[in-house]
Amino acid sequence: AVQLVESGGGLVQPKESLKISCAASGFTFSNAAMYWVRQAPGKGLEWVARIRTKPNNYATYYADSVKGRFTISRDDSKSMVYLQMDNLKTEDTAMYYCTAAVIAAFDYWGQGVMVTVSS
Amino acid sequence: DTVLTQSPALPVSPGERVTISCRASESVSTLMHWYQQKPGQQPKLLICEASNLPSGVPARFSGSGSGTDFTFTIDPVEADDIATYYCHQSWNSYTFGAGTKLELK
Repeated sequence: AVQLVESGGGLVQPKESLKISCAASGFTFSNAAMYWVRQAPGKGLEWVARIRTKPNNYATYYADSVKGRFTISRDDSKSMVYLQMDNLKTEDTAMYYCTAAVIAAFDYWGQGVMVTVSS
Repeated sequence: DTVLTQSPALPVSPGERVTISCRASESVSTLMHWYQQKPGQQPKLLICEASNLPSGVPARFSGSGSGTDFTFTIDPVEADDIATYYCHQSWNSYTFGAGTKLELK
């Protein structure tokens, strides 16, 4: 079965950094584009970042709200995807979901990891 | 950004047919997808590319539309379907609707 397991969340202060991780299993990770989607408490879903596959040069894309502050990366040898978050703001407080496009759309989702930015 | 507009809430009774609409601010072809999210859980893909049912999703769920107007239907509604439903387009970057919360009448 497909599994996505996020880790690394927590409480940080504004302007600090945090790196969250997602461990994937149950599908050919190297063939799948990977994404991060977040959800602020009580709010809707917001796409954050995308990383393509090796044949597509691991191209990355970001939402305007995080561009220049967040960096998505992947390690196909470990079936891992990461989100490095720098210069965090209070408005980045959210549940962060790792999601995969295995067949189409965002087929599979992890259970999420909470990131809280507060002084 | 492509804005997706959904009605915020719909009251339903088990056994009824319910339709949720999603209007895009510009054409997204058929790259519209629908997700179900229950409180405290991650979203679950129910419909991809406007009308395709992923494996394992019950046939009570269906979707239609193209361009800017899309609908998602549950027929018949079951008590376990009480959740928030999001539309999502992947034609022009990625955006989600604000969600439609199904509530029991």
